[in-house]
Amino acid sequence: SQKIEQNSEALNIQEGKTATLTCNYTNYSPAYLQWYRQDPGRGPVFLLLIRENEKEKRKERLKVTFDTTLKQSLFHITASQPADSATYLCAPPQAGGYQKVTFGTGTKLQVIP
Amino acid sequence: GAGVSQSPSNKVTEKGKDVELRCDPISGHTALYWYRQSLGQGLEFLIYFQGNSAPDKSGLPSDRFSAERTGGSVSTLTIQRTQQEDSAVYLCASSLTTGGIMAGAVGSDTQYFGPGTRLTVL
Repeated sequence: SQKIEQNSEALNIQEGKTATLTCNYTNYSPAYLQWYRQDPGRGPVFLLLIRENEKEKRKERLKVTFDTTLKQSLFHITASQPADSATYLCAPPQAGGYQKVTFGTGTKLQVIP
Repeated sequence: GAGVSQSPSNKVTEKGKDVELRCDPISGHTALYWYRQSLGQGLEFLIYFQGNSAPDKSGLPSDRFSAERTGGSVSTLTIQRTQQEDSAVYLCASSLTTGGIMAGAVGSDTQYFGPGTRLTVL
């Protein structure tokens, strides 16, 4: 069955550095993939969507890549700020049927001032 | 326009009581989802609706949990005979459709979440 894996360990980085979060998927090939941000006590908020024919997508300080050969998406935050501290969720559509979006477990990012 | 709303925002109940949680999706969104999130844990999918039908109920943890959606809009999640392990934040989300590719519009399944209902079972 399809599987989504994100770094379960929290990621701590220094302010100003680039944060890179990884999402790996197995046993299927999603046509696109979404990234969301979740702050404590709140629901996830959509950030970016990248399609399989797009190698890279950017939005301000955010960059997402999608490598269909490696079955991996990378999420980058450049010039990170303490306000970027949150949990980031990878969400490809589920295979088959209604292709409901399925969320990964998320990676918690902590940007240290 | 209004986002997804949920009520109540907080609910404290005694073990064994029934509770009803309500979700008002974004107007025009045909898909509606329920999730549960325990403290420090990831999202746990419960059920989703496309219109009034629920193609996937696989996440409902037991037969004490049920959900319905009427008029393709408001949804109610009911938990009967609540247990302490039911304590969590219950999140509702809606999207324009499910199946972005099938609907011919990638991204139409982007989910918009409500603020959640924090359920505490004593």
